[in-house]
Amino acid sequence: GQNIDQPTEMTATEGAIVQINCTYQTSGFNGLFWYQQHAGEAPTFLSYNVLDGLEEKGRFSSFLSRSKGYSYLLLKELQMKDSASYLCAVEKDSNYQLIWGAGTKLIIKP
Amino acid sequence: GAGVSQSPRYKVAKRGQDVALRCDPISGHVSLFWYQQALGQGPEFLTYFQNEAQLDKSGLPSDRFFAERPEGSVSTLKIQRTQQEDSAVYLCASSLRDRGETQYFGPGTRLLVL
Repeated sequence: GQNIDQPTEMTATEGAIVQINCTYQTSGFNGLFWYQQHAGEAPTFLSYNVLDGLEEKGRFSSFLSRSKGYSYLLLKELQMKDSASYLCAVEKDSNYQLIWGAGTKLIIKP
Repeated sequence: GAGVSQSPRYKVAKRGQDVALRCDPISGHVSLFWYQQALGQGPEFLTYFQNEAQLDKSGLPSDRFFAERPEGSVSTLKIQRTQQEDSAVYLCASSLRDRGETQYFGPGTRLLVL
């Protein structure tokens, strides 16, 4: 079957660094997306990884290991506005469908 | 240009009532997706259109759910004889093509069935 696991909730301090992990077991893999979703709002795109390694984009970086079925999102210099849910989604190689994790709710404290 | 828009933003329906949810994708986007999102969960795939063709409807939970995109732009998700378990946020997303493309989401329609 398809399975994507993320921690349900994490807490971090403003200005700090946090790493949100995502592990997946899917029947096929083409790439992995990270989306941010503020409460009551639509998910917004953060990153897309196809190859192994780290992709850096400003304060946010995303890492992928295809052999381990593992990804993480790294957020640096945390700001209060980073309080949101972070969703990991796998694109299967057979089609366009995204399989979504349940999301990690990140709480930033002053 | 404008992003993905959805209407209504909120809908309260009595059990048994039919509802229609509208999605206006980004102009020129070929692919359109409908998702259902329960509170505290990730989106669950419902159906996928490539232009006007509905290529996958495997995620529709029952035959009470029906989606169309007759002219390859605006799409409507219709739910007949609504049940309480249909209460959720319905998200629409569009992308330029399909594989490897970022999906851009609308704000969603929050449906509450009483």
